[in-house]
Amino acid sequence: GAVVSQHPSWVICKSGTSVKIECRSLDFQATTMFWYRQFPKQSLMLMATSNEGSKATYEQGVEKDKFLINHASLTLSTLTVTSAHPEDSSFYICSARDEAGTQYFGPGTRLTVL
Amino acid sequence: GQSLEQPSEVTAVEGAIVQINCTYQTSGFYGLSWYQQHDGGAPTFLSYNALDGLEETGRFSSFLSRSDSYGYLLLQELQMKDSASYFCAVRKGGGKLIFGQGTELSVKP
Repeated sequence: GAVVSQHPSWVICKSGTSVKIECRSLDFQATTMFWYRQFPKQSLMLMATSNEGSKATYEQGVEKDKFLINHASLTLSTLTVTSAHPEDSSFYICSARDEAGTQYFGPGTRLTVL
Repeated sequence: GQSLEQPSEVTAVEGAIVQINCTYQTSGFYGLSWYQQHDGGAPTFLSYNALDGLEETGRFSSFLSRSDSYGYLLLQELQMKDSASYFCAVRKGGGKLIFGQGTELSVKP
C-alpha cells in the first residue's frame, strides 16, 4: 500500500528556534498534502492544505507566518514551525492524497519545545 | 460552522459488538470516514461512506444516513488489539478532512 513518511519522528528544541518537518509520499505522487496538529487526548486539527507549486491554504486561526508550508515537489511537503514556543509542542501529522482521492497519513512528528 | 459529535469513551469485552455513533453538522459534505489511532501512532483508515447505507469490511462496518447527518462504526468480535481511539471525519471539498473529537475504546478480557 501507499506509504507516507515524516522526518524527524520526534524533535526537542529550545524556545525561539525554528523546526522543519518533512512529509514525503514514497510510492505515489501527491498533488495535495495536508498538515494536522494533535494535542494529547484530542482530535486532529487541520492546519493547512498544501498544493504542489502553489501557496498553502491555511485554516482559520492558523498563523501562516508561524507555520510555513512549502510543497516544492509532488512527493515532498515541509512544515516549518518558526520561533517555536512551548505552546507549539504537539504531534504534527501530515497526509498525502493520491490521484484516486485516498488520503494516507504519515507516522507523525512529536515536537517538544523547552 | 461545523461540528462532529461522538462519545468520548466506550468500554466492551472481548468478543462483543460495539457501535460508535457520530453526528455531524457541516457544509460541503462529501462523505464520512472512520479512522483508528493507537497511542502515539498515525491514524489508520478504516472505512468511508459517501452514500447512505452500510459498508462492510471484515469485522468493521460503517453506516451513513445523510438525511439524518448521522453515521456509525460497528466493530464485531472485539479483540484486545481493537483498544484504540476511533475518529469519524467529514470529507469536504478538495479532500479536506474534519475530525471528530474521538472515541476511546477499551476492550476488556
